[in-house]
Amino acid sequence: SQKIEQNSEALNIQEGKTATLTCNYTNYSPAYLQWYRQDPGRGPVFLLLIRENEKEKRKERLKVTFDTTLKQSLFHITASQPADSATYLCALSNAGKSTFGDGTTLTVKP
Amino acid sequence: DTAVSQTPKYLVTQMGNDKSIKCEQNLGHDTMYWYKQDSKKFLKIMFSYNNKELIINETVPNRFSPKSPDKAHLNLHINSLELGDSAVYFCASSQDQGLGLYEQYFGPGTRLTVT
Repeated sequence: SQKIEQNSEALNIQEGKTATLTCNYTNYSPAYLQWYRQDPGRGPVFLLLIRENEKEKRKERLKVTFDTTLKQSLFHITASQPADSATYLCALSNAGKSTFGDGTTLTVKP
Repeated sequence: DTAVSQTPKYLVTQMGNDKSIKCEQNLGHDTMYWYKQDSKKFLKIMFSYNNKELIINETVPNRFSPKSPDKAHLNLHINSLELGDSAVYFCASSQDQGLGLYEQYFGPGTRLTVT
């Protein structure tokens, strides 16, 4: 069965450092992969989308890589700030259907 | 200027009751979804509609019935509510599900508590 795993339920880092979140999957051939941010009590907010034929995508302080051989995506936040503290979800998509991972809660300490 | 709105935000009801959650999007998107997020924060798709047509229907009890009166609205009706239905339900929309290339915009969620 399809499985999506995001690294450690919680990640704590110091302000200014780079946060790296991992999304691994098995038994899935996604056409594309997305990363979302979710704050407590709110709906997920789209951050970045990367297609299966793309290796890397960047947006401001965010960078996503996608390795279909390793079946893994890495999500980086550089120069992290306390405001980046949230839960980050990866979602694998194919044929119009998205399957979400269970998220990694990032805490950036000042 | 809310893009995806849901009502109500909170819903507390007793087992056995029937309730509805409404969703509206003003983004002009073609596809709308319902997701359930349980206490472990796992977000799972339930249904999706494209231009009022049901596209995805995951393994969901038939007590759950979505209805799309037009492409801007997707409502969720739940019959005979059970304790296990307690969760946060999110509505979402995307521009073009057929191409599968567009991000999803989520509503604020409806926290359903069944007592």
